[in-house]
Amino acid sequence: EVQLVESGGGLVQPGGSLRVSCVASGFTVSSNYMSWVRQAPGKGLEWVSVIYSGGSTYYADSVKGRFTISRDTSKNTLYLHMNSLRAEDTAVYYCARSSLGGVFDYWGQGTLVTVSS
Amino acid sequence: DIQMTQSPSSLSASVGDRVTIACRASQSINNYLNWYQQKPGKAPKLLIYAASNLQSGVPSRFSGSGSGTDFTLTINNLQPEDFATYYCQLSYSTPWTFGQGTKVEIK
Repeated sequence: EVQLVESGGGLVQPGGSLRVSCVASGFTVSSNYMSWVRQAPGKGLEWVSVIYSGGSTYYADSVKGRFTISRDTSKNTLYLHMNSLRAEDTAVYYCARSSLGGVFDYWGQGTLVTVSS
Repeated sequence: DIQMTQSPSSLSASVGDRVTIACRASQSINNYLNWYQQKPGKAPKLLIYAASNLQSGVPSRFSGSGSGTDFTLTINNLQPEDFATYYCQLSYSTPWTFGQGTKVEIK
């Protein structure tokens, strides 16, 4: 059974850093496209970043230069390293698997990141 | 970047109704268009991929159509569990933008 479990969210001050994780089971992270999608409170969905099976990475303009997506094949885990956090980065962060290009067929339950002083 | 415009932003409907949600891309995306359902406090769920392909396990009352710039999600015989927010999303090229969402509420 495919499962994605995020962790690492919490309260961080503006300008701070945080790393969120997504442990996968039932499939191999490095064989799929893996993305982060976020949702600010009461708002819609925003795609944040993807890491392709080949290792290429892409980012939304809103996070480019501040966020880094990575994976650990030995732990079958996806990460999002977030630096220079802003209030507008406050959101639930979901990891999602794409087995078909940019189609998100499995999602985690999400982890809440709150940026506030 | 390609922009996605979804309409309406909300609608009220009754059980048994037929509901149609539209999504328009700012340029042609062929059939690289997907639909998701999200219920409060839950992760989104894939309903339709590549414009018209029903994801495994999704009831057949859901259907998608369109190509190029204009797409439609149709829900036939609306059921109580279908009251949720629906999002379109392009997968033609990054950024994989979502539409603004359509909230389907009970009339």
